[in-house]
Amino acid sequence: ETGVTQTPRHLVMGMTNKKSLKCEQHLGHNAMYWYKQSAKKPLELMFVYNFKEQTENNSVPSRFSPECPNSSHLFLHLHTLQPEDSALYLCASSQDRGNTGELFFGEGSRLTVL
Amino acid sequence: QKEVEQNSGPLSVPEGAIASLNCTYSDRGSQSFFWYRQYSGKSPELIMFIYSNGDKEDGRFTAQLNKASQYVSLLIRDSQPSDSATYLCAVSGAGSYQLTFGKGTKLSVIP
Repeated sequence: ETGVTQTPRHLVMGMTNKKSLKCEQHLGHNAMYWYKQSAKKPLELMFVYNFKEQTENNSVPSRFSPECPNSSHLFLHLHTLQPEDSALYLCASSQDRGNTGELFFGEGSRLTVL
Repeated sequence: QKEVEQNSGPLSVPEGAIASLNCTYSDRGSQSFFWYRQYSGKSPELIMFIYSNGDKEDGRFTAQLNKASQYVSLLIRDSQPSDSATYLCAVSGAGSYQLTFGKGTKLSVIP
């Protein structure tokens, strides 16, 4: 199994749909993250979990709902999204809360909201 | 609002030349500095990190940090076409999980 895997890789949904993005890490890390990457914008941190506990929520709209059942799995539940939410959603993991800054990213889930 | 600024490019250099990528940051309390490389259609990967003022070398890559000027750079010597990618500068504060990323500089190495 590769380090951080994300599914689905591509997702198209209407504004009234409910869908979920899934992330799994096989690296034994204890911190997991959701980032949003939009064209011509910096990577935006959305949520951070450390040992399954949410430690950061960067003013993300409630239509995005994270879930972290254990240190290896992370979900992002999506509902009533807007077209401007179309982006690449990247999951990442890291070893600890130290400042090593080494994030291991998954390949991303490309989301299109119609 | 913490900000990290990068020239979006594209920066074009001939094969074998030195590519110089620059980054400035707004938070004077920033402590750790990172360069990630992102190939088109792929996810970012860490290539360098630096914590102290001065230079840090790793193979063909050199990271340079000047905290007084709030400036960090990445030099790529003997640039190769395989170095063509977007380079993301990222900065974090003490004890923080949060990396603030720049928009990235697109580098194109011309054979």
